[in-house]
Amino acid sequence: KAGVTQTPRYLIKTRGQQVTLSCSPISGHRSVSWYQQTPGQGLQFLFEYFSETQRNKGNFPGRFSGRQFSNSRSEMNVSTLELGDSALYLCASSSRGGAKDTQYFGPGTRLTVL
Amino acid sequence: GENVEQHPSTLSVQEGDSAVIKCTYSDSASNYFPWYKQELGKRPQLIIDIRSNVGEKKDQRIAVTLNKTAKHFSLHITETQPEDSAVYFCAAHEADSWGKLQFGAGTQVVVTP
Repeated sequence: KAGVTQTPRYLIKTRGQQVTLSCSPISGHRSVSWYQQTPGQGLQFLFEYFSETQRNKGNFPGRFSGRQFSNSRSEMNVSTLELGDSALYLCASSSRGGAKDTQYFGPGTRLTVL
Repeated sequence: GENVEQHPSTLSVQEGDSAVIKCTYSDSASNYFPWYKQELGKRPQLIIDIRSNVGEKKDQRIAVTLNKTAKHFSLHITETQPEDSAVYFCAAHEADSWGKLQFGAGTQVVVTP
């Protein structure tokens, strides 16, 4: 099976702009989780989607949002970008998102905000 | 919510020696504990995991132990090789917390030949 894919791999934006990142899960996986990775804060959970529904959300401001489509592909959006949003954004897919399911990570999207 | 602490933050070992990384968690309801390895510029990759009904699990040179009473779990790498050099993350999955892994801060492991 093909692994988790993310597009684009790199993005450069300026403050105030918005950005949309895309994640395609492993075929058959219905749960997609998003994480932000920074040197200072490590890996932090953003949100999780299953069957087009957000089931869990981390402690991020409302500028961070996401959605999932009927084919399980997911997008996340960040509006009104701030310098501190510069990070590696990783998505991970699993069968159902439960404790019995391994999460497999995509390669990430490196976002730089200038 | 769950909080995971990981130690040490950096670990330098001679090739052939063993490496041990320790993590503690706060939520006794957490029931799944994966370990990920992330090489520079690459995605995190699962190397081993353990569930709360098991005390130890081995896979070749890698082993993980879990002490539910003390709420800590450890990664053991034996006969380390230069290709083991990477950042290792422990994580905990809270019960009833869909799709959310709480990660430790990571351990930079450097294996010197």
